[in-house]
Amino acid sequence: DTGVSQDPRHKITKRGQNVTFRCDPISEHNRLYWYRQTLGQGPEFLTYFQNEAQLEKSRLLSDRFSAERPKGSFSTLEIQRTEQGDSAMYLCATIGTSGGFNEQFFGPGTRLTVL
Amino acid sequence: QKEVEQNSGPLSVPEGAIASLNCTYSDRVSQSFFWYRQYSGKSPELIMSIYSNGDKEDGRFTAQLNKASQYVSLLIRDSQPSDSATYLCAVRSRGSNYQLIWGAGTKLIIKP
Repeated sequence: DTGVSQDPRHKITKRGQNVTFRCDPISEHNRLYWYRQTLGQGPEFLTYFQNEAQLEKSRLLSDRFSAERPKGSFSTLEIQRTEQGDSAMYLCATIGTSGGFNEQFFGPGTRLTVL
Repeated sequence: QKEVEQNSGPLSVPEGAIASLNCTYSDRVSQSFFWYRQYSGKSPELIMSIYSNGDKEDGRFTAQLNKASQYVSLLIRDSQPSDSATYLCAVRSRGSNYQLIWGAGTKLIIKP
């Protein structure tokens, strides 16, 4: 257990519905990342927060995707009007700034299935 | 050319032998390299990080980095069936956001 939690762990939804995922980072970690991973591939970067500021978004992140991190604590990732191609594992990772090196630690992920 | 390349495998190794996993990267200025293990249906788990040329050992795991050849490897000694997983190589991008660039992973199978 890395101390990063995600909720829900699994989500099954019908095409066209909206879904929201939550990530609770290790409390002192100020950098938070969202990734998407499909079968047989490595994680793909979606977006990055430093504290409450969203500093970078991937071109993969269409207008249907939005992420927030109010107060620099937990983060949410919302997908509107889901499509079957959105089916994937959504991963949250965090980094603290203590120490000389910055290693990302992942939560357990949320597996999304769009029917 | 992909930024981080790994052989997808599967790589089959007898129990007790040494498993050797390889990764090449394209950005010559990359400074930080990571190996993650991922069991089926689970999230990636950090097992090794390496930042300097040479070898870094941690228990049965040894990471090797050769920046001149843009090559990083992971050796697993005395392989156990529980080592069967997909091993992902990740390289930190040159930007300030510490974003990781990932390989597609190598599936390792340890045969009893």
